[in-house]
Amino acid sequence: ETGVTQTPRHLVMGMTNKKSLKCEQHLGHNAMYWYKQSAKKPLELMFVYNFKEQTENNSVPSRFSPECPNSSHLFLHLHTLQPEDSALYLCASSHGTDTQYFGPGTRLTVL
Amino acid sequence: GENVEQHPSTLSVQEGDSAVIKCTYSDSASNYFPWYKQELGKRPQLIIDIRSNVGEKKDQRIAVTLNKTAKHFSLHITETQPEDSAVYFCAASNNAGNMLTFGGGTRLMVKP
Repeated sequence: ETGVTQTPRHLVMGMTNKKSLKCEQHLGHNAMYWYKQSAKKPLELMFVYNFKEQTENNSVPSRFSPECPNSSHLFLHLHTLQPEDSALYLCASSHGTDTQYFGPGTRLTVL
Repeated sequence: GENVEQHPSTLSVQEGDSAVIKCTYSDSASNYFPWYKQELGKRPQLIIDIRSNVGEKKDQRIAVTLNKTAKHFSLHITETQPEDSAVYFCAASNNAGNMLTFGGGTRLMVKP
């Protein structure tokens, strides 16, 4: 349960704020991911990093900016978000294309 | 790109009965199919997965079957228990990358 951690667990922000979500994995994995989980919609892959290099950007708006300084840490920088961006943001990690392990998520509310 | 459809969206069974959740996928190159269970307020957790070189995999009360020709795969839970109540997600990906495409989820309710 503590292999992938995320902070903060809950975040409320206004549309003009800038905030960052943090993810850390302690599993020795080399790939990390950001997903968005909205009510009544499938989990949506946002970004994929392999060995710190971004390999996928699933048509995500530029108001979401990922950063991966090393294989253990992943950030999602948020600015000028919209209310429809309110969702659960999940981080995951894996060893290559093996099983992805999820973090507990950050529940984001944009006012 | 890949498209994964999952049915039913909700499923209610009596404790002890079996539950079956079905998924179809569109990309014939997909070769990895995991199933995740997400309890209320918790993270998705892998419960079973299957690769395209096998047609069936079983782990205690949980089994997954894969029909590559028809491009569908199913999750079977036997002797359901109240703690099986959760949302179950199927997903598909191919070895070209780490991209998992998820189905819309099935809310399973097991009545005691």
